[in-house]
Amino acid sequence: SQQGEEDPQALSIQEGENATMNCSYKTSINNLQWYRQNSGRGLVHLILIRSNEREKHSGRLRVTLDTSKKSSSLLITASRAADTASYFCATGNYGQNFVFGPGTRLSVLP
Amino acid sequence: NAGVTQTPKFRVLKTGQSMTLLCAQDMNHEYMYWYRQDPGMGLRLIHYSVGEGTTAKGEVPDGYNVSRLKKQNFLLGLESAAPSQTSVYFCASSQTGDHTGELFFGEGSRLTVL
Repeated sequence: SQQGEEDPQALSIQEGENATMNCSYKTSINNLQWYRQNSGRGLVHLILIRSNEREKHSGRLRVTLDTSKKSSSLLITASRAADTASYFCATGNYGQNFVFGPGTRLSVLP
Repeated sequence: NAGVTQTPKFRVLKTGQSMTLLCAQDMNHEYMYWYRQDPGMGLRLIHYSVGEGTTAKGEVPDGYNVSRLKKQNFLLGLESAAPSQTSVYFCASSQTGDHTGELFFGEGSRLTVL
């Protein structure tokens, strides 16, 4: 069974708008990570947030983590066409393998 | 800095044939992973290694074998390919142990089994 589940499955926005995608998970975690995958390419690490953190920023990215609700959100502000990609969350914990969700496909229209 | 390199990038096999995918990393990482990616399924872990000479099963290990004879290389083998193994395979490595660090991925190997 999958630990992480992203929502929505697909998202289409205009350039300049903000994009928000969510990730829910089922069991306790040490950290939660977000990855981006451009079409036909490998996954690229975006940001890691630990279980004792509530919010983290990296450039135009903002990640929140709510361990009580077992959920995380990724916000991309002022989106660009180059942000078009699939975004995956992955949970990590000691003694357990990383588990990836099915991903959110983001399309940013010019 | 090459990072994680996978070869080959594309391969077409007939049912029953065998092949090996090679993953090489130049970051001196201890942990290495093989995933498969299928539409709508996310990434599923096949096998992983926590160091040279070690291997362990992941979520979907059946039909695959692995070897980690050298720290920088992690090989994924298919002894008798089946159409269900048609997928995109990704190798990843991590410097931090115990499944808590950032993963560095290769560009993927697209395998089609006819």
